[in-house]
Amino acid sequence: QQPVQSPQAVILREGEDAVINCSSSKALYSVHWYRQKHGEAPVFLMILLKGGEQKGHDKISASFNEKKQQSSLYLTASQLSYSGTYFCGTGPMNTGFQKLVFGTGTRLLVSP
Amino acid sequence: NAGVTQTPKFQVLKTGQSMTLQCAQDMNHNSMYWYRQDPGMGLRLIYYSASEGTTDKGEVPNGYNVSRLNKREFSLRLESAAPSQTSVYFCASSQPPGQINQPQHFGDGTRLSIL
Repeated sequence: QQPVQSPQAVILREGEDAVINCSSSKALYSVHWYRQKHGEAPVFLMILLKGGEQKGHDKISASFNEKKQQSSLYLTASQLSYSGTYFCGTGPMNTGFQKLVFGTGTRLLVSP
Repeated sequence: NAGVTQTPKFQVLKTGQSMTLQCAQDMNHNSMYWYRQDPGMGLRLIYYSASEGTTDKGEVPNGYNVSRLNKREFSLRLESAAPSQTSVYFCASSQPPGQINQPQHFGDGTRLSIL
């Protein structure tokens, strides 16, 4: 079952902040976050593992609450380059490889 | 550094035709995946290969077959194409030997239209 992402779309002015949420009905072991620009392949941002990890990548960070079965992606002081569609991919178990189920995506547009 | 290479990049087929999408990775990854991406649906897993010599069905395997030819190559075959298979297909790979919980690396995609 696909994780649910919210919001479906968001428009920001450059410099504003945004939060994208990813919720699952199943217990999670890991959450992956990817960004995809129009017409391109998804690009990896970060992985969060069971244990409440919070990771950061430039001005983008994320948290993982396995009790609530959800993850949030925080985009701080957004830049034009942040525009794209963000996907979370959830992994239900600790396997050597990651068989992920992806959400339907959140479209982010950052304007000048 | 090529990463994951998919061929072809674009293809138009007629209903009932067959074709094979090719994927190769040069990162020595154990695991490979095929996804399809439709508007509003995100990425859905068609088939995957956890390691060389094994393949398994994902969420949407009907109408497709796969072959893990060797560690580098993982192909996806449409035996009798249907308009519902019009989509963008992505191949991905992950898992260097001895490591777990690694990101997936995606190819540039194949845009397939079936008339």
